[in-house]
Amino acid sequence: DAGVIQSPRHEVTEMGQEVTLRCKPISGHDYLFWYRQTMMRGLELLIYFNNNVPIDDSGMPEDRFSAKMPNASFSTLKIQPSEPRDSAVYFCASSSASDRGRKTQYFGPGTRLLVL
Amino acid sequence: DQQVKQNSPSLSVQEGRISILNCDYTNSMFDYFLWYKKYPAEGPTFLISISSIKDKNEDGRFTVFLNKSAKHLSLHIVPSQPGDSAVYFCAASALGSGAGSYQLTFGKGTKLSVIP
Repeated sequence: DAGVIQSPRHEVTEMGQEVTLRCKPISGHDYLFWYRQTMMRGLELLIYFNNNVPIDDSGMPEDRFSAKMPNASFSTLKIQPSEPRDSAVYFCASSSASDRGRKTQYFGPGTRLLVL
Repeated sequence: DQQVKQNSPSLSVQEGRISILNCDYTNSMFDYFLWYKKYPAEGPTFLISISSIKDKNEDGRFTVFLNKSAKHLSLHIVPSQPGDSAVYFCAASALGSGAGSYQLTFGKGTKLSVIP
């Protein structure tokens, strides 16, 4: 299995621009999670999906952030408009409810976002 | 309010010695605990886990100990190797099998440096 795939790996953009981050979970996994990692706040959960349905988006910082999961193999996290304080590493992770209750999440390599 | 705390931001250990990484939690509903390892520019990778019905789980050089009464867990690495140098995250999930229980709460991490 290829693992969780994220694109792009690096993104540099200017303040006010729209940013779209993409994630392909591990095939067969029914949970997908979006995290943001910063030095100050560590690894924060932004939103997660179960069977393509958003379960908890309370971690999404503000309305500029939105996430979708149109099918079981693809999700996007969009920031519009982007701001310099959004600069961080964004991780996508997936897990399976059939993993004998272990709840282990498998992470992608992350997207390093820099907003100038 | 941090529900999972890793109070040591960093730890240095000599190669061949034991590394002990600590984690405390406050939520008594947590019943499954995981350790992840993260190298720079990569996503966190699952290392080892433990269920609340156990007090110890071992996998090769890695052992996790759980003290439920103290709400404390620790990761022991014996013997430590230079390749173990990474950031280690403690994570916890809540009791149950519903969608909400698949969310993980992460500590802020401990950076382990193993000195050759």
